[in-house]
Amino acid sequence: EIVMTQSPGTLSLSPGERATLSCRASQSVNGNYLAWYQQRPGQTPRLLISAASSRATGIPDRFSGSGSGTDFTLTISRLEPEDFAVYYCQQYGISLYTFGQGTKLEIK
Amino acid sequence: EVQMVESGGGLVQPGGSLRLSCAASALAFSTHYMQWVRQAPGKGLVWVSRINPDGSSTTYADSVKGRFTISRDNAKNTLYLQMNSLRAEDSAVYYCATVTSGHWGQGTLVTVSS
Repeated sequence: EIVMTQSPGTLSLSPGERATLSCRASQSVNGNYLAWYQQRPGQTPRLLISAASSRATGIPDRFSGSGSGTDFTLTISRLEPEDFAVYYCQQYGISLYTFGQGTKLEIK
Repeated sequence: EVQMVESGGGLVQPGGSLRLSCAASALAFSTHYMQWVRQAPGKGLVWVSRINPDGSSTTYADSVKGRFTISRDNAKNTLYLQMNSLRAEDSAVYYCATVTSGHWGQGTLVTVSS
């Protein structure tokens, strides 16, 4: 099983700032099949990025994904108030898919 | 608009069984890998199981292997999760979701308690 480790656990920033979230895998993710999800309180997870860097339909271009192998990054270029939420990475390259524990992005 | 609607959750005693269903509409269901994901109150997302498009390949998290069975009926555009030998730690909201296209249901709550 691949273990996905997200850092930091909590990130405190202000609107307009840039956010950088990290996701590290315990072994290489096949095909860079890595997704990022956003979950706001009381809501269903929302797919932001698939295949490490492909933005999902309707996702603003301030969200971008990068990385390969074992190290992946989600960047939010300029934070909007609605971006403060919990973010999860998920690998789906090896048949036992796994999520990271999440990064909470909070308003500073 | 794609809709995915889970059903079958509820209160069950430890050791009991439940069968969850997820009905999809406006989705090319038979072409998608599908997964079940759960989330205990106040906790993170935990992957449970996945199935390939024709149902011939399934995988499970170690925590549910041997107790849960994922299946699908492509003629009915429906995904299932048979859950046996339920434990208190299985209590969570269970979501069905496509693996790559970002379609999720609203979830169904499973509570395992005596």
